[in-house]
Amino acid sequence: SQKIEQNSEALNIQEGKTATLTCNYTNYSPAYLQWYRQDPGRGPVFLLLIRENEKEKRKERLKVTFDTTLKQSLFHITASQPADSATYLCAPSGNTGKLIFGQGTTLQVKP
Amino acid sequence: GAVVSQHPSRVICKSGTSVKIECRSLDFQATTMFWYRQFPKQSLMLMATSNEGSKATYEQGVEKDKFLINHASLTLSTLTVTSAHPEDSSFYICSARGQGAVGELFFGEGSRLTVL
Repeated sequence: SQKIEQNSEALNIQEGKTATLTCNYTNYSPAYLQWYRQDPGRGPVFLLLIRENEKEKRKERLKVTFDTTLKQSLFHITASQPADSATYLCAPSGNTGKLIFGQGTTLQVKP
Repeated sequence: GAVVSQHPSRVICKSGTSVKIECRSLDFQATTMFWYRQFPKQSLMLMATSNEGSKATYEQGVEKDKFLINHASLTLSTLTVTSAHPEDSSFYICSARGQGAVGELFFGEGSRLTVL
């Protein structure tokens, strides 16, 4: 069955450092992969989408890579800020339209 | 960006009663809406896909007679939790996508259901 793995342990980093979150998937070949941010008690907010034919995508301080051979996506936040503290969810998906999410990684940026 | 509004944000009900949650796309037409459930410290679990004017498609293990979904217009989908029990207490979140099969989802703020 399809499986999405994100590091369930919280990631604690110092303000100004780069945070790197990992998303691994098995047993399927997604056409694209999305990353979302979720704050406690709120709905997720879309951050970035990367397609299978794209290796890397950037948006301001965010960078996402997509390695279809390794079946892995890396999500980077450079110059991290305390306001970046949240849970980050990845969703590798096909063309059915529905999104299945990983369990998320909680990032804590300390000042 | 597109806005999805969900109501109510919090609801407390007695066991055995039914609760309706509304999800509206405020500034775009949503041909497809998705309903998720999230338990504390867990990820979002997709419950069903709701298509305007047709029956919802439920994920495996989700009881369609318990979680009634109606998508009567391009801007409104409703989820009714029928005969709610304490184990149905959870955070229910809807999301919507506009035209096209892929792309980002716009999420509502979620509805926290507590069944006593």
